[in-house]
Amino acid sequence: GAVVSQHPSRVICKSGTSVKIECRSLDFQATTMFWYRQFPKQSLMLMATSNEGSKATYEQGVEKDKFLINHASLTLSTLTVTSAHPEDSSFYICSARQGRFNSNQPQHFGDGTRLSIL
Amino acid sequence: AQKVTQAQTEISVVEKEDVTLDCVYETRDTTYYLFWYKQPPSGELVFLIRRNSFDEQNEISGRYSWNFQKSTSSFNFTITASQVVDSAVYFCALISGGGADGLTFGKGTHLIIQP
Repeated sequence: GAVVSQHPSRVICKSGTSVKIECRSLDFQATTMFWYRQFPKQSLMLMATSNEGSKATYEQGVEKDKFLINHASLTLSTLTVTSAHPEDSSFYICSARQGRFNSNQPQHFGDGTRLSIL
Repeated sequence: AQKVTQAQTEISVVEKEDVTLDCVYETRDTTYYLFWYKQPPSGELVFLIRRNSFDEQNEISGRYSWNFQKSTSSFNFTITASQVVDSAVYFCALISGGGADGLTFGKGTHLIIQP
């Protein structure tokens, strides 16, 4: 149980393109979803927290107009990288959790999306 | 503010050796959760363990064991009789307080098991 599906797994596109990444909880309702970014050989950095039906909360330094997050249902959150540029190339990984303020609930991670902007 | 420190950037051992990965954390909250994740070259995160701040019992799962010591704010991870398949990057992570925020990850330790 507790499977999170992230799609696509890999994207290669031209500079200026907008890219949408989907994160779905397959067998549980995810009140809260998180988006992380990982540069090569570095740690995962939290970008934003997404609660179903609410606006996402972005971490300091993350451009909300650049990284649009939508969490319209209890099983789906999307991250759209708008007008992507080469510096946006990275590994993006989502996680999902039942409960909004339940830190005792584990986060279940998707398999990540490797985004390459040419 | 919370912080996770994994001082060992890379560890290389020969297969069958035991290896310990260190993790030191900082948080002002009395309620918090600590995690270890494995990230193989394919990139996905594999959950290994979660431990809450009120449970200091050490845990053993097969060849894996964890030593949680609140007195030193450490949550170390030991692999006994290491195998080549254990080669990966291992992340220690922390979440505290009400849990509204995401995980704070350490920088990771790249473990290389040589045959």
